[in-house]
Amino acid sequence: DTEVTQTPKHLVMGMTNKKSLKCEQHMGHRAMYWYKQKAKKPPELMFVYSYEKLSINESVPSRFSPECPNSSLLNLHLHALQPEDSALYLCASSITPRDNEQFFGPGTRLTVL
Amino acid sequence: QKEVEQDPGPLSVPEGAIVSLNCTYSNSAFQYFMWYRQYSRKGPELLMYTYSSGNKEDGRFTAQVDKSSKYISLFIRDSQPSDSATYLCAIIYGGGKLTFGQGTILTVHP
Repeated sequence: DTEVTQTPKHLVMGMTNKKSLKCEQHMGHRAMYWYKQKAKKPPELMFVYSYEKLSINESVPSRFSPECPNSSLLNLHLHALQPEDSALYLCASSITPRDNEQFFGPGTRLTVL
Repeated sequence: QKEVEQDPGPLSVPEGAIVSLNCTYSNSAFQYFMWYRQYSRKGPELLMYTYSSGNKEDGRFTAQVDKSSKYISLFIRDSQPSDSATYLCAIIYGGGKLTFGQGTILTVHP
């Protein structure tokens, strides 16, 4: 298995909802990442997990809460989001944080109403 | 000043043309330079990366880094309609912190 999978593909939620995005990889990678990509903009790093521990938080609002339950799985818990949080959320992984090649999943397209 | 800057285009070329995509970066300490390709509604995929200065070739793609002018380039020879995508240059810090340029939208028309 050489890919990063993300579920769901699309998500529509209200501002009072709680939802979660899921990312999975079975390549044995020990670094996992969340990025946010707005339309016609490049991806922007949100979080880095290194060996299941949060190593980088790019000053992301607390309404986004990452979780890494094991080395294959990465979640992003969403609560009380704003319409401006609507974006494509991309997950990526690499063998270790020192490896330059990050493999991206297809993303979850999130719409906040 | 942004860490890496890229002309967003769009760029439209006929099939078979040579395409040149360019970025500039601000910090001379950067050592790893990447090019990603992103098709519509997909995640980015790594095309090539180079370390320090010089050229790197892979099939129809050549990546070039000029550290003296802080300039990175991607050349695509014999461009194909399937090359139509957004091309993103990127630099990487230690710890996996990847920072992208704005991205250039490329269309290759038959």
